[in-house]
Amino acid sequence: GQNIDQPTEMTATEGAIVQINCTYQTSGFNGLFWYQQHAGEAPTFLSYNVLDGLEEKGRFSSFLSRSKGYSYLLLKELQMKDSASYLCADRKEDSGYALNFGKGTSLLVTP
Amino acid sequence: DTAVSQTPKYLVTQMGNDKSIKCEQNLGHDTMYWYKQDSKKFLKIMFSYNNKELIINETVPNRFSPKSPDKAHLNLHINSLELGDSAVYFCASSPVTGDYGNTIYFGEGSWLTVV
Repeated sequence: GQNIDQPTEMTATEGAIVQINCTYQTSGFNGLFWYQQHAGEAPTFLSYNVLDGLEEKGRFSSFLSRSKGYSYLLLKELQMKDSASYLCADRKEDSGYALNFGKGTSLLVTP
Repeated sequence: DTAVSQTPKYLVTQMGNDKSIKCEQNLGHDTMYWYKQDSKKFLKIMFSYNNKELIINETVPNRFSPKSPDKAHLNLHINSLELGDSAVYFCASSPVTGDYGNTIYFGEGSWLTVV
């Protein structure tokens, strides 16, 4: 993705907690999104942050620091079905509503 | 009652052919998109339409031509297909106003293979 950085791969154990980090360019920032994509399927929306702080949705939480151009997705109580690619995306003020995606983090959850 | 539907799901075609992928959304959204996901899983915006008007046209070869007959449909026509066009093409839509920052909803994807 254009100036979005996230780790390529991560591995974690079932039941554990994993944090996936993402950095983006702060200029023109207008929102930070996380999507989940299972192999062979469409990306599905997980979370949205536009203000600093933590947004919690069940087992998934997302954090944003606008001054640092930094976000993370936190997955708790990992399940095998959480094995997927996690895409960080930002929206810029001049991009209409389009999202600019990072290359995704492939998460493997092991027993 | 799929929200964003696109056809065909799979398409195998020869180099030089012309093909179209159709997309329809029944969510009442004003904005529609085409994204391309290559073999490295990088998801990149190609086009964005708002209420039938072209908003974003990224650096895409002019062999790719989107057409939006109404705000619920955004079709993608590709001329003179090349091997490098092989990818998954995702149609998507989003509202102008709404919760979660005008979240984008994706169709199931169209797997295009050019041989």
